[in-house]
Amino acid sequence: EPEVTQTPSHQVTQMGQEVILRCVPISNHLYFYWYRQILGQKVEFLVSFYNNEISEKSEIFDDQFSVERPDGSNFTLKIRSTKLEDSAMYFCASNYDRLYEQYFGPGTRLTVT
Amino acid sequence: DAKTTQPPSMDCAEGRAANLPCNHSTISGNEYVYWYRQIHSQGPQYIIHGLKNNETNEMASLIITEDRKSSTLILPHATLRDTAVYYCIVRVAQGGTALIFGKGTTLSVSS
Repeated sequence: EPEVTQTPSHQVTQMGQEVILRCVPISNHLYFYWYRQILGQKVEFLVSFYNNEISEKSEIFDDQFSVERPDGSNFTLKIRSTKLEDSAMYFCASNYDRLYEQYFGPGTRLTVT
Repeated sequence: DAKTTQPPSMDCAEGRAANLPCNHSTISGNEYVYWYRQIHSQGPQYIIHGLKNNETNEMASLIITEDRKSSTLILPHATLRDTAVYYCIVRVAQGGTALIFGKGTTLSVSS
């Protein structure tokens, strides 16, 4: 069964550093998403991406965040200058149509020290 | 904010049916009800969704009341692997793509 994959599984970085989280969505999917979950809290939507542009973003997704689909398979989330409060599990998701179920990856745990 | 209300926790014996309620009293006519679950710290997993008719798939059944103000997710024969946080989410068909998660219901299945 096709699945969304994410790398790395765990990333440790120092405050102020840039990080790039990588995702490979399911191959025929057209919509891509990033969510985050701070430890012990609920899953929060960050951004959705369709047709090579952002289609929706939350208030959390400020100027320090950016997304890109650099090629036909990868979807990345860049955090320009990490803060302690960016420590969280980051989930990538994808679907074929925006009303269809979203398939989530296993997540990348980001720890900012 | 999430438009749904769910009990924070429920218990279920292994092999019995787990019935998870969700209140969505402000739901609009064009909003769907989706259910996802999250096992430990894994990525959320889609379970089922519906608009107004009851739905069933290999994982679960979804019962939506006639006035659509509430719904129940039924896991017919719960197993230990069904222990998870279950999220009820309403989404408008012509609206955005985001899933807005609430706190969900933590279902504990015990033997």
